[in-house]
Amino acid sequence: DQQVKQNSPSLSVQEGRISILNCDYTNSMFDYFLWYKKYPAEGPTFLISISSIKDKNEDGRFTVFLNKSAKHLSLHIVPSQPGDSAVYFCAASYSQGGSEKLVFGKGTKLTVNP
Amino acid sequence: GAVVSQHPSRVICKSGTSVKIECRSLDFQATTMFWYRQFPKKSLMLMATSNEGSKATYEQGVEKDKFLINHASLTLSTLTVTSAHPEDSSFYICSARVRPRWEQYFGPGTRLTVT
Repeated sequence: DQQVKQNSPSLSVQEGRISILNCDYTNSMFDYFLWYKKYPAEGPTFLISISSIKDKNEDGRFTVFLNKSAKHLSLHIVPSQPGDSAVYFCAASYSQGGSEKLVFGKGTKLTVNP
Repeated sequence: GAVVSQHPSRVICKSGTSVKIECRSLDFQATTMFWYRQFPKKSLMLMATSNEGSKATYEQGVEKDKFLINHASLTLSTLTVTSAHPEDSSFYICSARVRPRWEQYFGPGTRLTVT
């Protein structure tokens, strides 16, 4: 049962344009959402997060939008740069039995073409 | 800040042997550390959660006796893969969390190959 879904395995964007990465979730108990960036053979790097009480969080070129009613979040990167090329993981967090769990989507491979 | 290291970055071992992977938080004290496994073209799968000084909490389907986790201090957690088999070959990643923040900071990962 995949609780966090990233339906696009890959996305290709031209440098300078906007990249929009999407993520859907099914568990209404998730209350914190995060985006991670990952290069091959490396650990994920935290990018940006959003609490379930907000609908938008912005940090430089990165903006995350949360639509709770649709159980959908998206990451916008603008302007996109070739260095942004990586796999982006959406993750959602909830508490269970006193511990917090992070559930990851399968990732979307972003390629930004010069 | 929030740097997590893992050692070794890559290890090859023979079937039946045990391998220990270390995870360290370098510039902060991690109250909670997590161990993940990533299969090719798959997402990160949480294996276990460990809190300093207490037993690890394993996810369903993860063998406690096979994947031994020790979180002896606020800056070090170890994962020992006992009696390794070729199917244990994978990319193992640890992460650390500092309360009250939700973000987890990940190590660079360890590529385990069992021959």
